[in-house]
Amino acid sequence: QSALTQPPSASGSPGQSVTISCTGTSSDIGAYNHVSWYQQHPGKAPKLMIYEVSQRPSGVPDRFSGSKSGNTASLTVSGLQTEDEADYYCSSYTVSRIYVFGTGTKVTVL
Amino acid sequence: QVQLQESGPGLVNPSGTLSLTCAVSGASINHNYDVWWSWVRQPPGKGQEWIGEIHHSGAANYNPSLKTRITMSIDTSRNQFSLKLNSVTAADTAVYFCASGSGYTWVDWGQGALVTVSS
Repeated sequence: QSALTQPPSASGSPGQSVTISCTGTSSDIGAYNHVSWYQQHPGKAPKLMIYEVSQRPSGVPDRFSGSKSGNTASLTVSGLQTEDEADYYCSSYTVSRIYVFGTGTKVTVL
Repeated sequence: QVQLQESGPGLVNPSGTLSLTCAVSGASINHNYDVWWSWVRQPPGKGQEWIGEIHHSGAANYNPSLKTRITMSIDTSRNQFSLKLNSVTAADTAVYFCASGSGYTWVDWGQGALVTVSS
């Protein structure tokens, strides 16, 4: 099972929006809505930001939103803030009953 | 909220066995039938890899790429679960996280434990 494909980097100025893509196959992202997004600051554990494609856990700002079309999922961060600068990873459940992560995207707030 | 804490040796010899334990606090490990207890690793400077998961019933699912080398166990009396990975090489050097969740996602994570494979 190959890793999901994400762009290595994305950036935006404070207040702007940035969208990160996560491309998989019909065996993972395309098969289920079990797509999650995690934020990870250096040296820290991942933090769940989005689950089931577009659901936000309690406490996650509504600036974070998720969507999916076919085999590609996306995370949008609106109204960028300095604390949003971090690495972001997607993950998906697969038809093989295992989980696969994305390659990761470093978001820089300019 | 559930708190998770990894523990184990930070240095393992090549061809040896990596052993980690994840202590669970804030909830009973068998409190919620839907919760699965997972291990995820992250090599330095790289992305994450799912290792596997175990249910309090003892049922487990492993990453096929590691399946022949993994053993997971769960101890409900001590409220903890464990990972053993044998025949390790330098490629197994990573930060190992334990995590928990239901519904195909992980809500709670440990802080991570760096394990280096080196002689």
